[in-house]
Amino acid sequence: GAGVSQSPSNKVTEKGKDVELRCDPISGHTALYWYRQRLGQGLEFLIYFQGNSAPDKSGLPSDRFSAERTGESVSTLTIQRTQQEDSAVYLCASSLLGQGAFRDTQYFGPGTRLTVL
Amino acid sequence: AQSVAQPEDQVNVAEGNPLTVKCTYSVSGNPYLFWYVQYPNRGLQFLLKYITGDNLVKGSYGFEAEFNKSQTSFHLKKPSALVSDSALYFCAVRDPSASKIIFGSGTRLSIRP
Repeated sequence: GAGVSQSPSNKVTEKGKDVELRCDPISGHTALYWYRQRLGQGLEFLIYFQGNSAPDKSGLPSDRFSAERTGESVSTLTIQRTQQEDSAVYLCASSLLGQGAFRDTQYFGPGTRLTVL
Repeated sequence: AQSVAQPEDQVNVAEGNPLTVKCTYSVSGNPYLFWYVQYPNRGLQFLLKYITGDNLVKGSYGFEAEFNKSQTSFHLKKPSALVSDSALYFCAVRDPSASKIIFGSGTRLSIRP
């Protein structure tokens, strides 16, 4: 079946603008995760959804960052008043059961490369 | 607190030679360990995981990893490297008592023809 998809694949924006990044998880996956990957660095956890609730949003770096999820479907990560340090690849992952199932495996989308000028 | 370390930023191997990408971890309980690979301009792909059982875990593309509890390591290995194995590799760990998976900083594997 289809994997995790993300759109847009690339986004260039000006400092101060708002951006929305979209993630379509694998059908039937209850859990969804957002990560940030800065150039040459590892993954930085942002937020985790179980269904449409977010039990762990501890990784959101500031109140400019927010995310929503519709049921067990699409999620949108919104960054308001973007700053140059927000430039990164934003990765979305989904898993079947979620963090309560310790054997769960996350499957990643291709990412959205965000460049803030 | 759980953590994972990949001590090598880059590993260079000639095609046909065996390769090892190192990973060590620190957790308070029995760990769940993962390896992911990231090809250029693509997301992470799951390679393999260790939950319990045999210490040698076999995964995709001919890769395997050996769990060593005494050395708290989970090194990724392949007997004969291919140029197409060149990519960024991430080790990840989860402590069953923790709520999230922690990823290492990544190791860039370069296979020369």
